[in-house]
Amino acid sequence: GENVEQHPSTLSVQEGDSAVIKCTYSDSASNYFPWYKQELGKGPQLIIDIRSNVGEKKDQRIAVTLNKTAKHFSLHITETQPEDSAVYFCAASSGSARQLTFGSGTQLTVLP
Amino acid sequence: GAGVSQSPSNKVTEKGKDVELRCDPISGHTALYWYRQSLGQGLEFLIYFQGNSAPDKSGLPSDRFSAERTGGSVSTLTIQRTQQEDSAVYLCASSSRTGYSYEQYFGPGTRLTVT
Repeated sequence: GENVEQHPSTLSVQEGDSAVIKCTYSDSASNYFPWYKQELGKGPQLIIDIRSNVGEKKDQRIAVTLNKTAKHFSLHITETQPEDSAVYFCAASSGSARQLTFGSGTQLTVLP
Repeated sequence: GAGVSQSPSNKVTEKGKDVELRCDPISGHTALYWYRQSLGQGLEFLIYFQGNSAPDKSGLPSDRFSAERTGGSVSTLTIQRTQQEDSAVYLCASSSRTGYSYEQYFGPGTRLTVT
């Protein structure tokens, strides 16, 4: 089955700096890669996703890149703000399986 | 519109008791998923319902776990003879599956504590 690894497990940045979280996946059939933000006591919130026919996608301060050959994808957050502090999860899914396989999460702390 | 809702938000039960957790998906969403999140861990897939198809139960950890979805909408996850290792947050998600829409939207979860 699919295996998703996520790094780093914790990340601290100064407000205004950029943050990068990286994930690798094992199943070459995976074709959908979402990123979720989870605040304390809440369910995961979808913040951006990318499909395997696209190499990069951007939405305001967040962007995701995908390298299918290397089987890795990354989340980039620019101009970080304290409210970006949360746990971020990457995930992968193949069209046939549908369920998401999640990485282990990254605790992002943005220091004011 | 309304998102995915789950009830109860918190449940404390004694070891050996049965529990039922409820999920109301987003109206019109045909796919429904249950995941489990243990303390400080990622999310672990449990079961997936898609329309009237047979559910994908491949993630259920033991035969003490079961789920049903009535009328293609509300779902109930049942854990029989609960054990302490069942303590976790149980999350439900729903998806529209229109075209290539795979986005899953999560509810707030039910925190289960087995004492």
